[in-house]
Amino acid sequence: AQTVTQSQPEMSVQEAETVTLSCTYDTSESDYYLFWYKQPPSRQMILVIRQEAYKQQNATENRFSVNFQKAAKSFSLKISDSQLGDAAMYFCAYTENQGGKLIFGQGTELSVKP
Amino acid sequence: KAGVTQTPRYLIKTRGQQVTLSCSPISGHRSVSWYQQTPGQGLQFLFEYFSETQRNKGNFPGRFSGRQFSNSRSEMNVSTLELGDSALYLCASSLGYRSAGELFFGEGSRLTVL
Repeated sequence: AQTVTQSQPEMSVQEAETVTLSCTYDTSESDYYLFWYKQPPSRQMILVIRQEAYKQQNATENRFSVNFQKAAKSFSLKISDSQLGDAAMYFCAYTENQGGKLIFGQGTELSVKP
Repeated sequence: KAGVTQTPRYLIKTRGQQVTLSCSPISGHRSVSWYQQTPGQGLQFLFEYFSETQRNKGNFPGRFSGRQFSNSRSEMNVSTLELGDSALYLCASSLGYRSAGELFFGEGSRLTVL
């Protein structure tokens, strides 16, 4: 069965600094998608970034980028120039073969210090 | 464009009762998924509906059921409530079936079972 592991329950970063959130996953599939979702205190989950496994190029969305290491089954999220509004719970998630159910990690709670 | 709307936002029930939660997807979205979020188990997939048909089901007992209507609105029902059913229930919609993780989440329905 596929699993997603986030080993950092909590992380903290100074405003304007860079932080990296870790995620590892386990799957025997070759075709899958990986995601980072953000859940602010208001509870509405928002997609931050998506990576297709067949693409070697790491995805980037403004200040958010990923380091996708397929062989190592690692998928980390880097947030540059951290802002107060980045404070939230971040979930790494996996789905196989164009979607369907998402398998989530346990989450990393990110706090941003002014 | 209105987002995903879930009702009710908060509710309290007692053991043995049943509950129905409602989800209105983003206009034009035809797929609706449900997730249960608890501090202990994290985010777990319940089921996915597309075109009024259940396409995928998570590992939950038969007390958990759902349906989708012709206008894509969805309801989930939990019968014979147990204390462990206390959770945040999240609904997510997407444009089509297996939309590669492009899910749009509602704010959730917070269920407390006493």
